[in-house]
Amino acid sequence: AQKITQTQPGMFVQEKEAVTLDCTYDTSDQSYGLFWYKQPSSGEMIFLIYQGSYDEQNATEGRYSLNFQKARKSANLVISASQLGDSAMYFCAMRGDAGKSTFGDGTTLTVKP
Amino acid sequence: SAVISQKPSRDICQRGTSLTIQCQVDSQVTMMFWYRQQPGQSLTLIATANQGSEATYESGFVIDKFPISRPNLTFSTLTVSNMSPEDSSIYLCSVARGTDGELFFGEGSRLTVL
Repeated sequence: AQKITQTQPGMFVQEKEAVTLDCTYDTSDQSYGLFWYKQPSSGEMIFLIYQGSYDEQNATEGRYSLNFQKARKSANLVISASQLGDSAMYFCAMRGDAGKSTFGDGTTLTVKP
Repeated sequence: SAVISQKPSRDICQRGTSLTIQCQVDSQVTMMFWYRQQPGQSLTLIATANQGSEATYESGFVIDKFPISRPNLTFSTLTVSNMSPEDSSIYLCSVARGTDGELFFGEGSRLTVL
């Protein structure tokens, strides 16, 4: 069974500062993928970044980077230079061998001007 | 990327009735996933819809309550049967696509049961 834990129900960050959203996972699969999605108030789900379990380097995608620590089973999302438009719900998710994805409870990020 | 169209986008239904949600993808995919997002909560996988075989349901979800059809590689339906207010949720259709197999989602169907 897969499990994703996001321990921060809500986070605040000042505009232009960096913020880290925590995610830990548990799985017995040897190969898996870790994803972060953004859900604005409009409700759409937007893919942000991916990290494969065998990737040795941390993934980066523009202002998003993923701090992957395999031994600790953590995959934290770092957003640099926060913008007001970053205010949204953020979900960490994992896809295992069976191709199914499991989502964490999410973190609501609020960017303050 | 993938273009996924879901219908209806929202509906208000009476207790005891059933509603069928349609999901159309712009190209052929092997697996389609149906998720439920209850108010203020995360996404929970209901079932995986494979073309040519019965859907695979997750723990806590049964075919009698959530029958799924998958007549071809671009289309699927999810029916929410005998609805109760607890079924009020957003139902999302998704497919895995892209370089890393990331999920692409439809706009969701927001269901309110009175």
